[in-house]
Amino acid sequence: GAVVSQHPSRVICKSGTSVKIECRSLDFQATTMFWYRQFPKQSLMLMATSNEGSKATYEQGVEKDKFLINHASLTLSTLTVTSAHPEDSSFYICSARAFLGNTIYFGEGSWLTVV
Amino acid sequence: GESVGLHLPTLSVQEGDNSIINCAYSNSASDYFIWYKQESGKGPQFIIDIRSNMDKRQGQRVTVLLNKTVKHLSLQIAATQPGDSAVYFCAEIDTGGFKTIFGAGTRLFVKA
Repeated sequence: GAVVSQHPSRVICKSGTSVKIECRSLDFQATTMFWYRQFPKQSLMLMATSNEGSKATYEQGVEKDKFLINHASLTLSTLTVTSAHPEDSSFYICSARAFLGNTIYFGEGSWLTVV
Repeated sequence: GESVGLHLPTLSVQEGDNSIINCAYSNSASDYFIWYKQESGKGPQFIIDIRSNMDKRQGQRVTVLLNKTVKHLSLQIAATQPGDSAVYFCAEIDTGGFKTIFGAGTRLFVKA
């Protein structure tokens, strides 16, 4: 079946540095990918919608200059958390919609800890 | 984000009993809904979906009910098992852009 892979699954970075999280669709082409953030014991909050070859659409309240999203190919979207702070520590999850399909597949998530 | 998260409500059931998890959605224009199961530290897993032209759909041990009048979804799990312990989220999907908006979630505890 279709698989969406995220890398890294866990990352620790120092305050002020940037960290990149990758989201790959492994056996299908994804026209659209979505990025979510989830704090402990809370729901998934949609951050942005990423379309291949165009700029991402950010949800209200999400800083586009802080959370850089690049969807350079039909199988890869990246989320870069710039100048990370401890409050950015969270579980980041991506999902992908298959080209010519109505199904959305979720990745396994990436834990970010900023120290 | 459109889904404001608070501490998750909890449902505790005895193994073998039926579970009913409820969810209110926000957008009356949403035409596609999915229930997801999320285990600790993992991404959401698809359980069952339903389109807005239906009011009930059954899967293996699970049934989803949709009441569009009051914008309410429920997930029924028959003969709940310890492996069903997880957090369950309903999600509404805008089939124009496939943006998925998650509900607040419910934590299900299954007592052996």
